[in-house]
Amino acid sequence: RKEVEQDPGPFNVPEGATVAFNCTYSNSASQSFFWYRQDCRKEPKLLMSVYSSGNEDGRFTAQLNRASQYISLLIRDSKLSDSATYLCVVKINSANAGGTSYGKLTFGQGTILTVHP
Amino acid sequence: NAGVTQTPKFQVLKTGQSMTLQCAQDMNHEYMSWYRQDPGMGLRLIHYSVGAGITDQGEVPNGYNVSRSTTEDFPLRLLSAAPSQTSVYFCASSHVLAGTKRSSYEQYFGPGTRLTVT
Repeated sequence: RKEVEQDPGPFNVPEGATVAFNCTYSNSASQSFFWYRQDCRKEPKLLMSVYSSGNEDGRFTAQLNRASQYISLLIRDSKLSDSATYLCVVKINSANAGGTSYGKLTFGQGTILTVHP
Repeated sequence: NAGVTQTPKFQVLKTGQSMTLQCAQDMNHEYMSWYRQDPGMGLRLIHYSVGAGITDQGEVPNGYNVSRSTTEDFPLRLLSAAPSQTSVYFCASSHVLAGTKRSSYEQYFGPGTRLTVT
């Protein structure tokens, strides 16, 4: 089982639609959660962090359910410019072979969103 | 600020050749890392560094070497390229959390290097 799993999509939605992405993670010791956005053939960029209480940034709402190990991202009033791949990212304190602790970011494979006119 | 820069943008290698992917950042970030991105796999951490002179392995380090002689630069070396190393490589940087060796949550990524090994 992958550590972070997302529905790869693609999701094809019209402008103005509401779309939701889900993500599950397997390691209950995971500590921090994020959504990154990656445009086609570009680098990933942080979209927003995800907090237990849920958080909103404009048209974007992120939710975390620690009991179910589940993260979601809701996009309201979709715009053409929202077309991208959305990466679910989980951070856990891990140790490498030498025993050094580091903050390991684990990325989901991404969910592709296409917003059409 | 240029942010995180990577060179080259594209590279084709033959099996067994060596090369170095360059990464530089001008944000005075202590933490730098290399990821590879393959279809259906997500980004996977190759190596990382929490400061000049300090490097450690990530989850897929085999076949790659790194060094960190300055805060700004973090090159990734492929000593003997293999077709399995065909991928998109991203360098990323961030500050570290105070008092730890752990990266802060926001990673800044470079534009990537698309490598093909034939």
